[in-house]
Amino acid sequence: DAGVIQSPRHEVTEMGQEVTLRCKPISGHNSLFWYRQTMMRGLELLIYFNNNVPIDDSGMPEDRFSAKMPNASFSTLKIQPSEPRDSAVYFCASSLSQTQETQYFGPGTRLLVL
Amino acid sequence: GEDVEQSLFLSVREGDSSVINCTYTDSSSTYLYWYKQEPGAGLQLLTYIFSNMDMKQDQRLTVLLNKKDKHLSLRIADTQTGDSAIYFCAKRTGTASKLTFGTGTRLQVTL
Repeated sequence: DAGVIQSPRHEVTEMGQEVTLRCKPISGHNSLFWYRQTMMRGLELLIYFNNNVPIDDSGMPEDRFSAKMPNASFSTLKIQPSEPRDSAVYFCASSLSQTQETQYFGPGTRLLVL
Repeated sequence: GEDVEQSLFLSVREGDSSVINCTYTDSSSTYLYWYKQEPGAGLQLLTYIFSNMDMKQDQRLTVLLNKKDKHLSLRIADTQTGDSAIYFCAKRTGTASKLTFGTGTRLQVTL
């Protein structure tokens, strides 16, 4: 199994631009999680889906952030417009189910907004 | 509250044991986890313990849970240079999927 796949691995953009991060969960996993990691705030859960349905988006910082999961094998996290304070590493993780204890993390997307 | 706290840094010599500590405030935690993050990589699950257990051992790793003090520790025996990484403690409450992570402890292994 290839594990959780994220793209791009690195993204550098200018303030105001739209950024789209992509994630392919492990095949057969029904739950998908988006996290953000910064030095100041550590690792924060932004949103998670179960069976393609958003369950908890309370961690999404503001309306500039949106996430979708159109099918079981693909999810996007979009930031529009991006700001320098959005610079962080964004991780996607998946698990077999909502209650299954192991979340498998992707390698992350390192985002820098200038 | 849902705070999970860890010390920021630990340095040990190769071959010694490492003990990484974690404290949490929510007594209704069901699962507690240890993740490892190597530079430039995602988080890798090392081990987890259910809240009704006191100890779990897996090869060089020993997890101890003190529910009364809300204290979790990870002991790495015979620490190797490849163990150098950031170690995150995390907890899950009830059947919710949400994990709350600690700030991470950077383990440095010296020769």
